[in-house]
Amino acid sequence: EDQVTQSPEALRLQEGESSSLNCSYTVSGLRGLFWYRQDPGKGPEFLFTLYSAGEEKEKERLKATLTKKESFLHITAPKPEDSATYLCAVQVGRAGTALIFGKGTTLSVSS
Amino acid sequence: DGGITQSPKYLFRKEGQNVTLSCEQNLNHDAMYWYRQDPGQGLRLIYYSQIVNDFQKGDIAEGYSVSREKKESFPLTVTSAQKNPTAFYLCASSRSNRGTDGELFFGEGSRLTVL
Repeated sequence: EDQVTQSPEALRLQEGESSSLNCSYTVSGLRGLFWYRQDPGKGPEFLFTLYSAGEEKEKERLKATLTKKESFLHITAPKPEDSATYLCAVQVGRAGTALIFGKGTTLSVSS
Repeated sequence: DGGITQSPKYLFRKEGQNVTLSCEQNLNHDAMYWYRQDPGQGLRLIYYSQIVNDFQKGDIAEGYSVSREKKESFPLTVTSAQKNPTAFYLCASSRSNRGTDGELFFGEGSRLTVL
């Protein structure tokens, strides 16, 4: 069975304290791995797509990386506005198949 | 502005009643999806549609029904057969082109509470 596991469930950081979120996956035929950000009571917002091991994407203080078994979302010098739940999802098989989501990591950044 | 509109934002239902959640998009996307989100849980797929007049069941389709009569619209009906319908419902869409169909655009969600 295809599975996506995110850790930790919750993470509290001080402003400026860098850290990483983990997304490990057990799937057959990975087509792509996706990161989303979700604010409370809102729909998720797309951040990154990663397709192959070794690939990296950056956006402001966020950098996503991918290996054959897991992905990391690195947060450098976070600010309070980075507080949100970060969701990881995978697409398996052919184009058009729906995403499988992990349970998310809730990040809280205090000033 | 282009986007996805879900309505209503909040909905209360008595047990035994069917309710329909609206989802409209003006992004000209081919694919549309319905997810359910419970506290501490990831998004779970209810139904998805890649083209008008066609849709597929997701992992938790029991107690739900959908239609896709227009490209822009993908309403979800929560029937009385759904045992635990209280949840946050999210509609999403994506272009079906190769390489971009995993980039989902989400609506603001509809929170359904069964009294």
